[in-house]
Amino acid sequence: KAGVTQTPRYLIKTRGQQVTLSCSPISGHRSVSWYQQTPGQGLQFLFEYFSETQRNKGNFPGRFSGRQFSNSRSEMNVSTLELGDSALYLCASTSGYEQYFGPGTRLTVT
Amino acid sequence: AQSVTQPDIHITVSEGASLELRCNYSYGATPYLFWYVQSPGQGLQLLLKYFSGDTLVQGIKGFEAEFKRSQSSFNLRKPSVHWSDAAEYFCAVGAPGTASKLTFGTGTRLQVTL
Repeated sequence: KAGVTQTPRYLIKTRGQQVTLSCSPISGHRSVSWYQQTPGQGLQFLFEYFSETQRNKGNFPGRFSGRQFSNSRSEMNVSTLELGDSALYLCASTSGYEQYFGPGTRLTVT
Repeated sequence: AQSVTQPDIHITVSEGASLELRCNYSYGATPYLFWYVQSPGQGLQLLLKYFSGDTLVQGIKGFEAEFKRSQSSFNLRKPSVHWSDAAEYFCAVGAPGTASKLTFGTGTRLQVTL
């Protein structure tokens, strides 16, 4: 089985812009979670989608949003980018109680 | 709220030496517990997990972890470290039924000297 794929792998954006990241889960997995990883805050849970519905949400501002499509692919969007949004964004798909992580998207905001 | 503490930010061991990485959690009941490893520029790979039952769990790459309820700990061990084990290790906790929303510790960076 192919693993979790994330596109793009690297992204450079300017403050105030918006960005959309994509995640394709492992085939058959219906749950997709997103995490933000920064040196200062570590790994923080953003949200989880299951069957196109947001099932859990972390403590992030409304600028961070996501969605899931009928094929379980998920996107997350960050609007009005701030310098502090620079991070590695990790997507994970879940089977049972095991999460499988993708390689991440490295977002740099300048 | 659940939380995870990894008290060691950085550990250096010699190749062939044994390893123990510490993890303490805070949760009202018995949570689901996980150890992940992350190599530079990579995502996270699941090493092992504990849900219930036998408190000593075996994982991939020769790792094992022991759940100790009395100490709220879930320490990761390996009898003999290989240079390829150099990476960052994260302990994580998930509430039963919501293991897709994990709370991670701050990580322990392992350096292996030859």
